[in-house]
Amino acid sequence: AQSVSQHNHHVILSEAASLELGCNYSYGGTVNLFWYVQYPGQHLQLLLKYFSGDPLVKGIKGFEAEFIKSKFSFNLRKPSVQWSDTAEYFCASNHDYKLSFGAGTTVTVRA
Amino acid sequence: GAGVSQTPSNKVTEKGKYVELRCDPISGHTALYWYRQSLGQGPEFLIYFQGTGAADDSGLPNDRFFAVRPEGSVSTLKIQRTERGDSAVYLCASSLSGGGDEQFFGPGTRLTVL
Repeated sequence: AQSVSQHNHHVILSEAASLELGCNYSYGGTVNLFWYVQYPGQHLQLLLKYFSGDPLVKGIKGFEAEFIKSKFSFNLRKPSVQWSDTAEYFCASNHDYKLSFGAGTTVTVRA
Repeated sequence: GAGVSQTPSNKVTEKGKYVELRCDPISGHTALYWYRQSLGQGPEFLIYFQGTGAADDSGLPNDRFFAVRPEGSVSTLKIQRTERGDSAVYLCASSLSGGGDEQFFGPGTRLTVL
């Protein structure tokens, strides 16, 4: 069975600070990896995804993530956050169709 | 519509009652998923439809939960004899054809069982 763990439950940052959210997955075979974001009052939206190829994946709104197979990790990064990045972030994996999500990280960006 | 829609957005019911939650996927998407998100947790898989058939219902917690998708489009999640522990946000997602396709999520139905 797959599982996904996210290292941080709540992160508080100031604007322009850099952000890195940790994610580790457990499945040892071929796996697809995703980061979803949920802004306050909105539904889950895909930030970026990794299926194969270049392990550095660029997504929307300046986010990127790096797949490191040897560490079973898929950490999310953004060099300079904005107040509008305040949201909950979920890492997820699948190897067929059903997504397995981490518990989520709440990111609060102070203006 | 442009995205996945779910109704109602909120549902409050009493313990022991029956509820139905509806999901309208993106037009043309053959795959439909239900997830449940409890407070402080990520979404958990419940059931996956490919067309009209439930391809995987292994995430349904018990036989009080049932879902249908009779015409391969709209789906209804049905919960019998609701319990307080069923309180959660129920999310629906759809994708073009299943597999590793991107799943597009609806806004969810917040179910509260008193």
